[in-house]
Amino acid sequence: DAKTTQPTSMDCAEGRAANLPCNHSTISGNEYVYWYRQIHSQGPQYIIHGLKNNETNEMASLIITEDRKSSTLILPHATLRDTAVYYCIVRVMGGKLIFGQGTELSVKP
Amino acid sequence: NAGVTQTPKFRILKIGQSMTLQCTQDMNHNYMYWYRQDPGMGLKLIYYSVGAGITDKGEVPNGYNVSRSTTEDFPLRLELAAPSQTSVYFCASIKAGSTNEKLFFGSGTQLSVL
Repeated sequence: DAKTTQPTSMDCAEGRAANLPCNHSTISGNEYVYWYRQIHSQGPQYIIHGLKNNETNEMASLIITEDRKSSTLILPHATLRDTAVYYCIVRVMGGKLIFGQGTELSVKP
Repeated sequence: NAGVTQTPKFRILKIGQSMTLQCTQDMNHNYMYWYRQDPGMGLKLIYYSVGAGITDKGEVPNGYNVSRSTTEDFPLRLELAAPSQTSVYFCASIKAGSTNEKLFFGSGTQLSVL
């Protein structure tokens, strides 16, 4: 099973871009990378996912390296409401979805 | 669509009691998951199912059982509750193979075993 490694915590100034890295060096060619976030004890919220190409939606951008061993989630203009735990996960084709410990992002005024 | 519905939202059990956490989804999702989250920790996969009649163990399956008799329902059974099972439980589902694979979560069940 592919596993992910993320920094435990990060700080970001309000209005600046938040760049959250994730290492998934054991990922297989047909496994997707997903990003979710969790605010307090609510259920995790979907942000974005991708396979090979970079992706962008209304919330964020996802940059996946060419070898697919790592990715970066970009929140272009972080706000205080983006303070949360961010999870990078890999969906194995057999269905298993394993969450790591995530990155606790603190957006500061 | 109601999405993923979990019941109950809160429950207190005594050691040794049993209970079933209910999870249902109305989005015709094929994959369903049960996670637990201890305070200050990440989500741990308990069991998952890729379709009706198919279930498989996750990272922490001991002390739990599941079944998937229909596409919509994926109940989680605790047979002999222990204090170590005090946690928040989340059910989730996904339409695997679609063009927009988003994992939808229920609102969670907070369980205390005393």
